[in-house]
Amino acid sequence: GIQVEQSPPDLILQEGANSTLRCNFSDSVNNLQWFHQNPWGQLINLFYIPSGTKQNGRLSATTVATERYSLLYISSSQTTDSGVYFCAVERGGRRALTFGSGTRLQVQP
Amino acid sequence: DSGVTQTPKHLITATGQRVTLRCSPRSGDLSVYWYQQSLDQGLQFLIQYYNGEERAKGNILERFSAQQFPDLHSELNLSSLELGDSALYFCASSVDPGTEAFFGQGTRLTVV
Repeated sequence: GIQVEQSPPDLILQEGANSTLRCNFSDSVNNLQWFHQNPWGQLINLFYIPSGTKQNGRLSATTVATERYSLLYISSSQTTDSGVYFCAVERGGRRALTFGSGTRLQVQP
Repeated sequence: DSGVTQTPKHLITATGQRVTLRCSPRSGDLSVYWYQQSLDQGLQFLIQYYNGEERAKGNILERFSAQQFPDLHSELNLSSLELGDSALYFCASSVDPGTEAFFGQGTRLTVV
């Protein structure tokens, strides 16, 4: 099946810093989503971005489908950004999301 | 709030027992997915339904089964529970496969 690799696995930032999270995938995809899992376990949708660039406040994402990677940018990080960020992709035949192992982000005050 | 509702939020049960987890998808969504999140396996796809019919199976054990009812809600049945089944179980829904999926808050199952 499709492989999804996220880097870095762990990231510690000071409040106000910027960061870039990466997601590499092994095959062409129909769907790519970024999620934030907060400390209470909720999976929150950040972006649905099979290709192109999107921005939402301090967050933005870019997917280069032809090169099989996606980037999530977090600017001016806040302590509430802490948690695990997941990239998930779907190939047309599978029809379900395959998740990466996540990037655990800790933002310190 | 994603619009996907899961009940119960927490469940504690003994080994060998059977439990049922319930999911109500977002209004208008025909696809329902079940995922399991455990510490050692990460987020694993279990099974997908579309408009009442099973569409895809992932790493679902034979002791587990699911169904989607005519009103589109879904239930995941877990039987002969083992300690290793302790995990966070998520339901997700989307309009169609391949479109944006939204996740419920999860059911945290603890098997003792």
